Amino acid sequence: GESVGLHLPTLSVQEGDNSIINCAYSNSASDYFIWYKQESGKGPQFIIDIRSNMDKRQGQRVTVLLNKTVKHLSLQIAATQPGDSAVYFCAENSRYSSASKIIFGSGTRLSIRP
Amino acid sequence: EAQVTQNPRYLITVTGKKLTVTCSQNMNHEYMSWYRQDPGLGLRQIYYSMNVEVTDKGDVPEGYKVSRKEKRNFPLILESPSPNQTSLYFCATRPAVNYEQYFGPGTRLTVT
Repeated sequence: GESVGLHLPTLSVQEGDNSIINCAYSNSASDYFIWYKQESGKGPQFIIDIRSNMDKRQGQRVTVLLNKTVKHLSLQIAATQPGDSAVYFCAENSRYSSASKIIFGSGTRLSIRP
Repeated sequence: EAQVTQNPRYLITVTGKKLTVTCSQNMNHEYMSWYRQDPGLGLRQIYYSMNVEVTDKGDVPEGYKVSRKEKRNFPLILESPSPNQTSLYFCATRPAVNYEQYFGPGTRLTVT
């Protein structure tokens, strides 16, 4: 069946360093990938997305890389700040499923060391 | 201000007592979804709706109902709640043109 997972459940990064959060997926038909950030006590917040016909997409301080060969994507956060502390989820949508069917990974908790 | 509101935010109820969690959005989005979030299981989609009067099951629809009579509202109904429905519930909306979902603040439900 479909699954979206993350390599590590927790990640600790020094403030100012770059963070890399990884995600693996198993569905070859996955067509669209999204990264969300969830701060404590809040709902998930959209960060950035990428279509399967792209390898890289950049936003403000964030970059998502997609490697379809090994079914892996990553979220890179530049110059990590205390406000980046949160749980990060990758999610995917398959071209063979409804456009509204989004499958989430289990999340990686990012903590920032001062 | 773009908003997704959920009510109630917290609810403790007993097994079998019907309840409704409301979700409302002011962004005129076509797509709305309900998720539940449980420790170690991440977010799982319960139901979704692509427009008024169009709803479909997500991954964990058992024990839930939804309706979409108006574009802005998407209530989640638990006809006979059970303890395994104790969870944190999120409503989410997005426009048809992209995948940028907006989530509500969450409803923490406890069924005893």
